[in-house]
Amino acid sequence: GENVEQHPSTLSVQEGDSAVIKCTYSDSASNYFPWYKQELGKGPQLIIDIRSNVGEKKDQRIAVTLNKTAKHFSLHITETQPEDSAVYFCAASRGNNRLAFGKGNQVVVIP
Amino acid sequence: GAGVSQSPRYKVAKRGQDVALRCDPISGHVSLFWYQQALGQGPEFLTYFQNEAQLDKSGLPSDRFFAERPEGSVSTLKIQRTQQEDSAVYLCASSVTGGPYYGYTFGSGTRLTVV
Repeated sequence: GENVEQHPSTLSVQEGDSAVIKCTYSDSASNYFPWYKQELGKGPQLIIDIRSNVGEKKDQRIAVTLNKTAKHFSLHITETQPEDSAVYFCAASRGNNRLAFGKGNQVVVIP
Repeated sequence: GAGVSQSPRYKVAKRGQDVALRCDPISGHVSLFWYQQALGQGPEFLTYFQNEAQLDKSGLPSDRFFAERPEGSVSTLKIQRTQQEDSAVYLCASSVTGGPYYGYTFGSGTRLTVV
C-alpha cells in the first residue's frame, strides 16, 4: 500500500518567518495530496490540497508544491503566526476511498 | 448539525469489555469514514460507507471491530473484547460524496483508553 513520510518531525520557527514541511510518497498511482492541520484535542482540518495535474497551489499564506517525478510534495507557510502552531499531516490518495497519512510534523511558532 | 459530532469524547474500558462509539455526520453527507489514530501517529483508515453500504472494511484490524450505518446517517463503531492495543483516538469523517477529493470533515474523535 501507499507509504507517506514527513520530514522534519518537529519544526520551530520565529514568528514572521517561513516554514516548509516535506512529504514523500511511494505509490506512483497516487493523484491527490491534501494537508491537514490538527490542534490539540481536535480532529484534523483540511487546509490545502493539490491534484496530480497541478504543480503548485496557493491560498493566502499557505502553498503546496508537487513534484510527481520525485514523488514528493511540500507545504509552505509564510509570515508564520502563533496560531499556526499545530501538528500538520500530509496524506496521499490514489483516488479510492481512503487517505494514507504521514506521521505528522509538530510546528512551533515562537513569538 | 454544523460539524461531525462524535460521542463519547472519552471512554475508559477494562480489558475484555465491549465498547460502542458513535458518529453523527454532517446532514446530507453521503460518505462516512472511520480512522484510528494512535498516540503520535497519523490517522489510519479503518472503513468507509456510502449511505448505508459498507464499501470498504479492509482497514479493520481484526474481527473484533465492527461498524454499521443502518439508515445511512449515524454510524457506530463497535469493538468487542477490547485489548490494550486498541487504545487510540477514533476519528470519524464525512464528505458530501465520493472519496477524499471532495474534502473530508473530521469530528474531534473519541479517545479510547483500555486499562
